[in-house]
Amino acid sequence: EAGVAQSPRYKIIEKRQSVAFWCNPISGHATLYWYQQILGQGPKLLIQFQNNGVVDDSQLPKDRFSAERLKGVDSTLKIQPAKLEDSAVYLCASSLDKYVETQYFGPGTRLLVL
Amino acid sequence: SQQGEEDPQALSIQEGENATMNCSYKTSINNLQWYRQNSGRGLVHLILIRSNEREKHSGRLRVTLDTSKKSSSLLITASRAADTASYFCATDWPSGSRLTFGEGTQLTVNP
Repeated sequence: EAGVAQSPRYKIIEKRQSVAFWCNPISGHATLYWYQQILGQGPKLLIQFQNNGVVDDSQLPKDRFSAERLKGVDSTLKIQPAKLEDSAVYLCASSLDKYVETQYFGPGTRLLVL
Repeated sequence: SQQGEEDPQALSIQEGENATMNCSYKTSINNLQWYRQNSGRGLVHLILIRSNEREKHSGRLRVTLDTSKKSSSLLITASRAADTASYFCATDWPSGSRLTFGEGTQLTVNP
């Protein structure tokens, strides 16, 4: 079974630029999550989708972050404009359904904002 | 603030020794999970324990849960160099569909 795919794996940008990350979840998984993991900390949920609808985006900085999951499969997370404090690893995860406990994580995208 | 807090922050042991990591949380939960993260394989689910369970085993892993103390422990027996990783506990808080992770314990197993 193919795992969660993410791209790019690494990205370096300057502050105030924009950046986008892509995620392809495990086939058949209805729920998709985006996490932000700052160095030395645990992952923090940014947004959760159930199919193509948003379940939880309470921790998403909506003034600069946006995410979509068109057609309920792939998802993109965008930051515009980026700030220095956005430097982190952005993890995508998926699960069969929103109340299924085990989440499967992708390798992450490491973002450095200079 | 984080729901779960792991202790210790870092742990260094020799191969073959046992490693114990602890997690404390603040509010009632339905289940608690442990995940491992290393550079090679990303974040991987290890084990889930429900609030009505006290102990669970999976291979060399043993997890305990004490809901009265709001704490859990992860024991890795007969550790190997490949166990070197960060270990995170995660609780289903504040809702059953969201995972909240702790800060993690960095385990180093020296050959």
